[in-house]
Amino acid sequence: EAQVTQNPRYLITVTGKKLTVTCSQNMNHEYMSWYRQDPGLGLRQIYYSMNVEVTDKGDVPEGYKVSRKEKRNFPLILESPSPNQTSLYFCASSSPGTSTDTQYFGPGTRLTVL
Amino acid sequence: GDSVTQMEGPVTLSEEAFLTINCTYTATGYPSLFWYVQYPGEGLQLLLKATKADDKGSNKGFEATYRKETTSFHLEKGSVQVSDSAVYFCALSDLETNAGKSTFGDGTTLTVKP
Repeated sequence: EAQVTQNPRYLITVTGKKLTVTCSQNMNHEYMSWYRQDPGLGLRQIYYSMNVEVTDKGDVPEGYKVSRKEKRNFPLILESPSPNQTSLYFCASSSPGTSTDTQYFGPGTRLTVL
Repeated sequence: GDSVTQMEGPVTLSEEAFLTINCTYTATGYPSLFWYVQYPGEGLQLLLKATKADDKGSNKGFEATYRKETTSFHLEKGSVQVSDSAVYFCALSDLETNAGKSTFGDGTTLTVKP
């Protein structure tokens, strides 16, 4: 089944404790992206990658890191999480190396930073 | 920069009522436009899209027409069902200005009552 998977789905952590949210897609898509969803703010793009070893900042990259060493994986790293990073996070992928075609979203990761 | 403005919610309708969710955008180029739907507890999925002026996207009884003259992409459905209850996001991506960035509206929550 074609899909985007994220792990973990739920995470409660404490301020300053490094964490990684994994994202994997099995559709051989070039483009991958991370978003956060907050009430009243919609979806905001954190980072995106148009191909392996190519990443760029979205609208809200502060406090996040990403890497794209393989086509299928695009982990989101929070080196020192803070409470304002409490949010619902979505990973997405798309076939061309751009965001201008349909994006396929993962099920989301709900992160709480205490 | 690019922006998307969606009709504020929440929207509550009775079953079989007509639905319109307004979406207007600002973009410097000629963006692709999308409507995504998010059912409770799930990730976003594409509802419909349009890639050039006057294109009409349609799916599951929903329609939206790309109106360049009014920079709009309003979502309509003639007769909503309880199963249409979800959050709807308007989004754009502009290959000419930045092929990796996606801009989403704040989302409109629709509740359909029997």
